[in-house]
Amino acid sequence: GAVVSQHPSWVICKSGTSVKIECRSLDFQATTMFWYRQFPKKSLMLMATSNEGSKATYEQGVEKDKFLINHASLTLSTLTVTSAHPEDSSFYICSARDLYRGGREQFFGPGTRLTVL
Amino acid sequence: GQQVMQIPQYQHVQEGEDFTTYCNSSTTLSNIQWYKQRPGGHPVFLIQLVKSGEVKKQKRLTFQFGEAKKNSSLHITATQTTDVGTYFCAGYNQGGKLIFGQGTELSVKP
Repeated sequence: GAVVSQHPSWVICKSGTSVKIECRSLDFQATTMFWYRQFPKKSLMLMATSNEGSKATYEQGVEKDKFLINHASLTLSTLTVTSAHPEDSSFYICSARDLYRGGREQFFGPGTRLTVL
Repeated sequence: GQQVMQIPQYQHVQEGEDFTTYCNSSTTLSNIQWYKQRPGGHPVFLIQLVKSGEVKKQKRLTFQFGEAKKNSSLHITATQTTDVGTYFCAGYNQGGKLIFGQGTELSVKP
């Protein structure tokens, strides 16, 4: 199956710093990637849709200046949490669809656990 | 907007007992997907149902899609400790975005 990687798998940072999370599709091209956020014991909340070569589409209530998304190539999308605060601590998961395979299955990365002190 | 509701939120069973989680959408779904997330892991795709009334089986797992395409269920026969995790249903909304249910966390006592 298609593989999606995320880096780093976990990160601890101080309040006020920025953190970049990378999402890569390893064996397929992804024109669209999705960024989710998951709190402990909770469901996945879609934050934004990352489109290759264009601006990301953010869900209602998600601050685009806070969560910067860049989709520079067909295999890479990055999420930067700017000026992170403790309330940004969460599990961030990206996913991608392989449109060339024709399916609507989304392949999820292993997630990045962010802890802001 | 579209909502996907899942019940129960938690289910504790004795190994060997059956388990069922139910998913209901506020709108008709074009298809429904099921994912499993192990503790500390990420969601892994299990299956997709497309047709009204469709039933699919994967070993001890049985997935159903309602006739009205607004509800679905996942049934596990004779649970094992390896079944532990959170099971999510998910459906696409009209904007093409995958919306997840709240998930059902399954724990299995050996």
